[in-house]
Amino acid sequence: AQSVTQLGSHVSVSEGALVLLRCNYSSSVPPYLFWYVQYPNQGLQLLLKYTTGATLVKGINGFEAEFKKSETSFHLTKPSAHMSDAAEYFCAVSPTSSGGYQKVTFGTGTKLQVIP
Amino acid sequence: EAGVTQFPSHSVIEKGQTVTLRCDPISGHDNLYWYRRVMGKEIKFLLHFVKESKQDESGMPNNRFLAERTGGTYSTLKVQPAELEDSGVYFCASSQGSRETQYFGPGTRLLVL
Repeated sequence: AQSVTQLGSHVSVSEGALVLLRCNYSSSVPPYLFWYVQYPNQGLQLLLKYTTGATLVKGINGFEAEFKKSETSFHLTKPSAHMSDAAEYFCAVSPTSSGGYQKVTFGTGTKLQVIP
Repeated sequence: EAGVTQFPSHSVIEKGQTVTLRCDPISGHDNLYWYRRVMGKEIKFLLHFVKESKQDESGMPNNRFLAERTGGTYSTLKVQPAELEDSGVYFCASSQGSRETQYFGPGTRLLVL
């Protein structure tokens, strides 16, 4: 069975500071990896995903994440936080065996607060 | 292009009542998924439709939950009778193919009193 652990249910950063949201997964084989974001009163939006190839993945709004197999991690970063980044972020995985997109397992989410 | 829509956005019902949630996927998307987030916990998979067929309903918590997708378009999720532990946010997602990115709706916030 797969699982996802997000360290820190709440993270606060100053505007302009580095954003680092941590995600570790547990899986018998490397899964597909995702980061989703949920802005207030909106649905989940895909930020970025890793399937194969380059382990550093760039997403929307300046976010990127690096897949580290040896550490079973997929941390999300952004060099400079903006007020509009305040949202809840979810790390997620899905198995590669079924095509990778059918049964997504989510972490518990991290709420990002950006302080002006 | 319209995104995934869900109705209602909020629902407050009493224990024992019935509630039906609706999801309209993106037009042309054959794959439709239901997920649920109980407060403070992770978002959990409930089930997956391909057109009108249930491909995977391993996440459905019990037989009080019934999902349908008549005609392979919109889907409903009925909870009957509702219990307190059913409270949470119910998300719907759709994708064109089973290997494609899932697009999520805004969710329905259900509160059972």
